Amino acid sequence: NAGVTQTPKFQVLKTGQSMTLQCAQDMNHEYMSWYRQDPGMGLRLIHYSVGAGITDQGEVPNGYNVSRSTTEDFPLRLLSAAPSQTSVYFCASTLGGVGGELFFGEGSRLTVL
Amino acid sequence: TQLLEQSPQFLSIQEGENLTVYCNSSSVFSSLQWYRQEPGEGPVLLVTVVTGGEVKKLKRLTFQFGDARKDSSLHITAAQPGDTGLYLCAGAFGNEKLTFGTGTRLTIIP
Repeated sequence: NAGVTQTPKFQVLKTGQSMTLQCAQDMNHEYMSWYRQDPGMGLRLIHYSVGAGITDQGEVPNGYNVSRSTTEDFPLRLLSAAPSQTSVYFCASTLGGVGGELFFGEGSRLTVL
Repeated sequence: TQLLEQSPQFLSIQEGENLTVYCNSSSVFSSLQWYRQEPGEGPVLLVTVVTGGEVKKLKRLTFQFGDARKDSSLHITAAQPGDTGLYLCAGAFGNEKLTFGTGTRLTIIP
């Protein structure tokens, strides 16, 4: 069972570069989300989607864009990377919306120089 | 944004000892989840509690939801090295998005 798949696992960028973190799930979950995890700050919600064609902002959306053209895929785009975006990024999906079990990918570690 | 405080932030104990970690908020949760995260992996759900006063057991782990639904605890009996990891609580407040605590990093020393 693949579950939630994130790519790449590691990435180094220079300030100002752009990139896309890919996320795909094969569980037919409507709800998908992106979090960033920084030391001592837990997981913070960046953007989320309740279904194809619908996205909304989370707690820390600035500097990131998302789209949801299919149920399976939910890419996260960094428009112009900044050192403050150095973090570990997790994609998650759930069948049950708020309060439902979140299934996470293995994470993508991003370093911005 | 609702705040969840977890304590302690770090805990290191010997194998076989018991421990309790806490998750607190000033607001009422509609539901609360506990996740465990191992290095290099994403968090994995351990339990969801919904009813005030609820107690759930998962082998050596006991989860309790406070009567007022503002706090929760995780008790581990006879800790084992396999229990090492980051324990995260996550609370839902009404229909708002899930909020994660900052976590307790647990190390069990063989």
